[in-house]
Amino acid sequence: EAEVAQSPRYKITEKSQAVAFWCDPISGHATLYWYRQILGQGPELLVQFQDESVVDDSQLPKDRFSAERLKGVDSTLKIQPAELGDSAMYLCASSATVAFSSEQFFGPGTRLTVL
Amino acid sequence: AQSVAQPEDQVNVAEGNPLTVKCTYSVSGNPYLFWYVQYPNRGLQFLLKYITGDNLVKGSYGFEAEFNKSQTSFHLKKPSALVSDSALYFCAVRDRFNKFYFGSGTKLNVKP
Repeated sequence: EAEVAQSPRYKITEKSQAVAFWCDPISGHATLYWYRQILGQGPELLVQFQDESVVDDSQLPKDRFSAERLKGVDSTLKIQPAELGDSAMYLCASSATVAFSSEQFFGPGTRLTVL
Repeated sequence: AQSVAQPEDQVNVAEGNPLTVKCTYSVSGNPYLFWYVQYPNRGLQFLLKYITGDNLVKGSYGFEAEFNKSQTSFHLKKPSALVSDSALYFCAVRDRFNKFYFGSGTKLNVKP
């Protein structure tokens, strides 16, 4: 069964350092999402891609966060510099956009701890 | 604006009893509604969805959900709860721009 891949699964870093997360969506899924989930809360959308284009990054803190999906397949989310408040689970998801009946498929997430 | 509300932070139920996890939504246009489950330190797993048609939708692991247009609700149900159902449950709505909105989550505790 096809899955969304994410790496690393866990990342511990010190504040002011740079971190990067990688996501490989399900093959053929044109839409890719990055979410941040604080413990005990629902996912919060950071950025949404349609193929290689950003369609929504209104909640992305652009002074420190960046995201790219250069070839419209896999994607990287970067934080530089990391702050204590960035500690969270970072989830990647993908969906097919041929029809609105398609659900999102989530990867296992990257748990970030900033010390 | 699109939104999803899960009014209960936590639901407690005894094993073997029926369970309900509540969800109400607000969306312009036709609602596309989803339920996901999350186990500790894992991503979200899809349970079921409502797109159109029958108001009672059946999904994975014996879960079902009832769509009620007049009450703008999409409650998750299961006739007989299992201890292994204990997890965090999220309701979500998809808008016409392919964007998903999630509720704040409901923690389900099933006690033996």
